[in-house]
Amino acid sequence: ETGVTQSPTHLIKTRGQQVTLRCSSQSGHNTVSWYQQALGQGPQFIFQYYREEENGRGNFPPRFSGLQFPNYSSELNVNALELDDSALYLCASSPPGQKNTGELFFGEGSRLTVL
Amino acid sequence: AQSVTQLDSQVPVFEEAPVELRCNYSSSVSVYLFWYVQYPNQGLQLLLKYLSGSTLVKGINGFEAEFNKSQTSFHLRKPSVHISDTAEYFCAVNTGFQKLVFGTGTRLLVSP
Repeated sequence: ETGVTQSPTHLIKTRGQQVTLRCSSQSGHNTVSWYQQALGQGPQFIFQYYREEENGRGNFPPRFSGLQFPNYSSELNVNALELDDSALYLCASSPPGQKNTGELFFGEGSRLTVL
Repeated sequence: AQSVTQLDSQVPVFEEAPVELRCNYSSSVSVYLFWYVQYPNQGLQLLLKYLSGSTLVKGINGFEAEFNKSQTSFHLRKPSVHISDTAEYFCAVNTGFQKLVFGTGTRLLVSP
């Protein structure tokens, strides 16, 4: 069973640029969530995708956007990068229906540094 | 709104000593509670979860936690820690439809 995979693992951008992070969900999982983890903090919920639609959003501005594809993989896009966007971005997937107990299965994250 | 408070930002302990990491939650509805561990430069791995039933939950690597509804707590314990348990530990509550709210984390530092 393949777990959640994310790419790239590390990247460096400058202020004002745009970034796209990618995530492949665990086999059989149809819901993908994205979290931002700033240094020394707990993960913060950005948004969740289910059936290719955004299904819940945290307190993040519209320049944070996402996509989910028919194979349940997902992208996180951030426009007009700011220094405070520097963080570890975590993707998590979860199974459908009765198999869902609220547990999330996390990837190893993409570490973004904005200079 | 649900929230989680981890009272200790850092817990130093000697190898083979017992440890307790504290977690209190706030919720007006039934909760699902989780403990995740994060090793350096890695993602989060589930240690254990409470969904319903027995209030004592056993997880991986010898960890256990006790759900206490009256005290709204879900403290994590291990009777004897190893050097390899050094990591960041996060308590989380499920707020519905697979969204988790995390605490700020507790860094467990195990020394010889």
